[in-house]
Amino acid sequence: DPKIIQKPKYLVAVTGSEKILICEQYLGHNAMYWYRQSAKKPLEFMFSYSYQKLMDNQTASSRFQPQSSKKNHLDLQITALKPDDSATYFCASSQDRVNYAEQFFGPGTRLTVL
Amino acid sequence: GDSVTQTEGQVALSEEDFLTIHCNYSASGYPALFWYVQYPGEGPQFLFRASRDKEKGSSRGFEATYDKGTTSFHLRKASVQESDSAVYYCALGDSNNRIFFGDGTQLVVKP
Repeated sequence: DPKIIQKPKYLVAVTGSEKILICEQYLGHNAMYWYRQSAKKPLEFMFSYSYQKLMDNQTASSRFQPQSSKKNHLDLQITALKPDDSATYFCASSQDRVNYAEQFFGPGTRLTVL
Repeated sequence: GDSVTQTEGQVALSEEDFLTIHCNYSASGYPALFWYVQYPGEGPQFLFRASRDKEKGSSRGFEATYDKGTTSFHLRKASVQESDSAVYYCALGDSNNRIFFGDGTQLVVKP
C-alpha cells in the first residue's frame, strides 16, 4: 500500500485559476514538506511543517499556501496560476524535523498551466 | 547560500563498469550530505546519508565518503547493472531538515 498519497497525479489548469494539491502520509510522521521539480530547477525545497505548524518557507510568492487540516495531511493551494508554475510537486515526510532525518517522497502531482 | 554541484549531467556505462558521479558542496555550517535516486514517474528515494567528516554512507552497493577537506561526497559503485539506470541526486541537508538538491545526474547503463 502506498505510504504517501498525492492527488491528483496529473492536473491541467488555465492561467489565473486556483488549484489544490492533496498530500496524505500514512507513515506516522510528524514533519511534512513540499518540493517542486521543473525543467529550470530540478528539485527545489518549498515548505516544511512540523506538528501541523509552518516551520520554513522558501517560496517567495504568497500565491503558494500550504494547508494542514490533519496531522497526516499537507495540502498545497496555488492561486493565480501562471505558466511558470508548471512543474511536478512532491510531498515528503520524515519522522520528525530533526537534524538530517530521512525524508520519504510521494509520487508527485504533475501540474501543467496553460 | 548552501549549494551542491554535480559535475556530470549524464553518465553512460555498460553493465559491470565502475561508476563515479562527482558531487561538491558549498556550505557555511556543517551540513549532512545525501544521495537520492529517482526512477521515471516516481519521487526521489533516499539512498544514504553521511553527517560528519570521513563518514562513509552506503546502500545497495553504492557508497560515498564525506570529505570536508575537498568539500566532496562522490558516489561510487564497483559494478553497475542495467537496473541502476535512474537519476541520482546529491543533496545537502541543514539543521532544519531542509534538503537542497543538486541538478542530478542521469545514469544510463547498457546491457
